[in-house]
Amino acid sequence: RKEVEQDPGPFNVPEGATVAFNCTYSNSASQSFFWYRQDCRKEPKLLMSVYSSGNEDGRFTAQLNRASQYISLLIRDSKLSDSATYLCVSGGGADGLTFGKGTHLIIQP
Amino acid sequence: EPEVTQTPSHQVTQMGQEVILRCVPISNHLYFYWYRQILGQKVEFLVSFYNNEISEKSEIFDDQFSVERPDGSNFTLKIRSTKLEDSAMYFCASSGVLLRGTSYEQYFGPGTRLTVT
Repeated sequence: RKEVEQDPGPFNVPEGATVAFNCTYSNSASQSFFWYRQDCRKEPKLLMSVYSSGNEDGRFTAQLNRASQYISLLIRDSKLSDSATYLCVSGGGADGLTFGKGTHLIIQP
Repeated sequence: EPEVTQTPSHQVTQMGQEVILRCVPISNHLYFYWYRQILGQKVEFLVSFYNNEISEKSEIFDDQFSVERPDGSNFTLKIRSTKLEDSAMYFCASSGVLLRGTSYEQYFGPGTRLTVT
């Protein structure tokens, strides 16, 4: 059974701080990993794909550790607009995506 | 920027009725998906569709559910006889960009909120 586990939070972080989330996945055969962002009652929006070599997009950095089967997301210089639920996701292609329950982030002014 | 669209945004139906949820995937995408999210719970995969047939389906996708691509643009999810527990947000997604040979980034529509009374 494919599972993705995340700390639900909430993480309360002051504006400008750095925050990091981790998640773990159970299916060692998973090839693809993503971070999505979901605002209240909205659709998941793709934030970034996660590559074995790690990847960075502006203030966001994602890392994959296949040996330990965990994925991380780092947000630097957090903004009020970063407040959302961050979904750790594995899979894709014909199998569909397996979502974690999400980590709720609240950026405080 | 191309996007996935879904109609209606909200559907209210009585238990036992049939509903059809509609989606227009991104035009050059090849894979289409339906997911659902019950309020307060995680997003769950229902079904994937490729080359005009179902590729994979989850255990949630039982005989009450069916999908169809009736023309070159629409992708539909039909629930034959709705139950109270079918109340959820239903998201359509599409992908088609092969990225680094292994990952398929999926883009989601805004969802249809289905309320079964």
